Amino acid sequence: LAKTTQPISMDSYEGQEVNITCSHNNIATNDYITWYQQFPSQGPRFIIQGYKTKVTNEVASLFIPADRKSSTLSLPRVSLSDTAVYYCLGPYSGAGSYQLTFGKGTKLSVIP
Amino acid sequence: GAGVSQSPRYKVAKRGQDVALRCDPISGHVSLFWYQQALGQGPEFLTYFQNEAQLDKSGLPSDRFFAERPEGSVSTLKIQRTQQEDSAVYLCASSLRQAPDTQYFGPGTRLTVL
Repeated sequence: LAKTTQPISMDSYEGQEVNITCSHNNIATNDYITWYQQFPSQGPRFIIQGYKTKVTNEVASLFIPADRKSSTLSLPRVSLSDTAVYYCLGPYSGAGSYQLTFGKGTKLSVIP
Repeated sequence: GAGVSQSPRYKVAKRGQDVALRCDPISGHVSLFWYQQALGQGPEFLTYFQNEAQLDKSGLPSDRFFAERPEGSVSTLKIQRTQQEDSAVYLCASSLRQAPDTQYFGPGTRLTVL
């Protein structure tokens, strides 16, 4: 399974754009990149998924360069309610890929 | 219901007791997963069901852990003779199709073993 590496924590002021980068050097050809968000006392929530280039939805954007060895989750104009842990997950394909591998995630703290 | 529900939300057990944790997946979802989340860590996979079939139980930490989904809907995670190291949040997730597919998580059950 592809191992992912992301910063342990980040701080940001309200209204700023936040970019969280994840490295996944040994990602397989068929692997998708998936991001989840987790608030305290809640289960993780799917945010976005992509394979290459750029994906955007109502919550975030995901940028994946051509070599696919990293990806960047972009949260526009964060608010206090975006304070959460963000997980980058690599493997999402092939046999055995239903085992989502979370890691420790990035704890984002949004400051007023 | 609209989402995955779990009960109880909190469970306190004395060491050596047996516990049963329930998961109600989203109606019609084929796949069901259990994860264990220790404090400050990400969730770790325990087991996976496709309908009533348990296709992977490689993440179960010991033979004290047992999961079932007899009718392909509700699932129960049972822990026998609980130990302090079993204290964690147990998360259930379901997905519409067989894996891989987007997983929707419940709020979890926080188990504290004294």
